[in-house]
Amino acid sequence: DAKTTQPTSMDCAEGRAANLPCNHSTISGNEYVYWYRQIHSQGPQYIIHGLKNNETNEMASLIITEDRKSSTLILPHATLRDTAVYYCIVKGNNNDMRFGAGTRLTVKP
Amino acid sequence: EPEVTQTPSHQVTQMGQEVILRCVPISNHLYFYWYRQILGQKVEFLVSFYNNEISEKSEIFDDQFSVERPDGSNFTLKIRSTKLEDSAMYFCASIVGENTEAFFGQGTRLTVV
Repeated sequence: DAKTTQPTSMDCAEGRAANLPCNHSTISGNEYVYWYRQIHSQGPQYIIHGLKNNETNEMASLIITEDRKSSTLILPHATLRDTAVYYCIVKGNNNDMRFGAGTRLTVKP
Repeated sequence: EPEVTQTPSHQVTQMGQEVILRCVPISNHLYFYWYRQILGQKVEFLVSFYNNEISEKSEIFDDQFSVERPDGSNFTLKIRSTKLEDSAMYFCASIVGENTEAFFGQGTRLTVV
């Protein structure tokens, strides 16, 4: 029921950039792209979101393609504590926010 | 930093009993959510709540479940006649407005025996 497709798992070397892709080819004009992560069994943590422009905050950057059918979350300098499941979610103005299976990112020393 | 608080952190209940999971959302937030996560599986949407009524619910959220905001601060999820398969982590979340970030609590681990 999720509107996004993500790789099941990825590895990244500590200190390197982690680039996590997401496909959302059926995204509608008013739908935002959100990224959350879940470390172990903790509550999901918000990372970043955007509509069509690229966004950057203290945690990450979000690059959205011009046609908005895909996006990439970039963690510029991954640390071991960034090991988590990362979820890409498409959400409009309704209150239905559903998680897919996400990408399990493992940061290795 | 403001946070969403959930109580209890762990709850063990006997099959067939009723449980109430409690959440205190961030004080100026207007939209509230419940999710569950069965061990090893993905986070599943249960219900969203706005303006004192359910705004969206999933196919999981059947007559066994109900939500309430009894006093303007707490947001509760009631599960009637619990079943073994209700064992899961239950997460509450809140957002201040549309197209804003959701804040999640640390969850209640429910074990039905």
